[in-house]
Amino acid sequence: IVLTQSPATLSLSPGERATLSCGASQSVSRSYLAWYQQKPGLAPRLLIFDASSRATGIPDRFSGSGSGTDFTLTINRLEPEDFAVYYCQQYDGSATFGQGTKVEIK
Amino acid sequence: EVQLLESGGDLVQPGGSLRLSCAASGFTFSNYAMSWVRQAPGKGLEWVSGISDNGGGTFYADSVKGRFTISRDNSKNMLYLEMDILRAEDTAIYYCAKEIGKLGTPLFDYWGQGTLVTVSS
Repeated sequence: IVLTQSPATLSLSPGERATLSCGASQSVSRSYLAWYQQKPGLAPRLLIFDASSRATGIPDRFSGSGSGTDFTLTINRLEPEDFAVYYCQQYDGSATFGQGTKVEIK
Repeated sequence: EVQLLESGGDLVQPGGSLRLSCAASGFTFSNYAMSWVRQAPGKGLEWVSGISDNGGGTFYADSVKGRFTISRDNSKNMLYLEMDILRAEDTAIYYCAKEIGKLGTPLFDYWGQGTLVTVSS
């Protein structure tokens, strides 16, 4: 399954809402879709799994939605620490990642 | 606290070999599948290889199949990646990642800090 993320870069100000998209080349069964956040020099951190479940310790301003081939990560009221690269990943069998969306400060 | 500590990354010539290690602590290592995920400089994430909780099942990306071998020692809480016939395109940070279950659901809830492998003459 090939995952395509859009946009490649999102330029926003703190306090704004970020909407990131992830499209799959075929349906992701059981909504086995995750989102990760990665900051420079650090390992990825799991944010969302099963398309819409928040991982332990993740603030509720992060939310995931979608099913089948179209998934969305929404970040409400961007905080300074949210500016990073975000990857979607499907785990329906093997694992594949999207190419990433960079959320940068406008 | 879950900790994953990779080691073994180095500069190696094309065609050479390298062995990566990952020391796990803070959880019952033998209950979980584990994987290696890599990231080329400035690029995205690529799953490389995975192994079931008891080591009986191993899985590889097509890009490394036949060249890389994943293994684990549950008595030592260690994960390994033996890398042979290395190519320039294998240059990346290699992350050790814990999966959420025993096998077949490669969702990664904990990651190590990574170890850098550089393949160059």
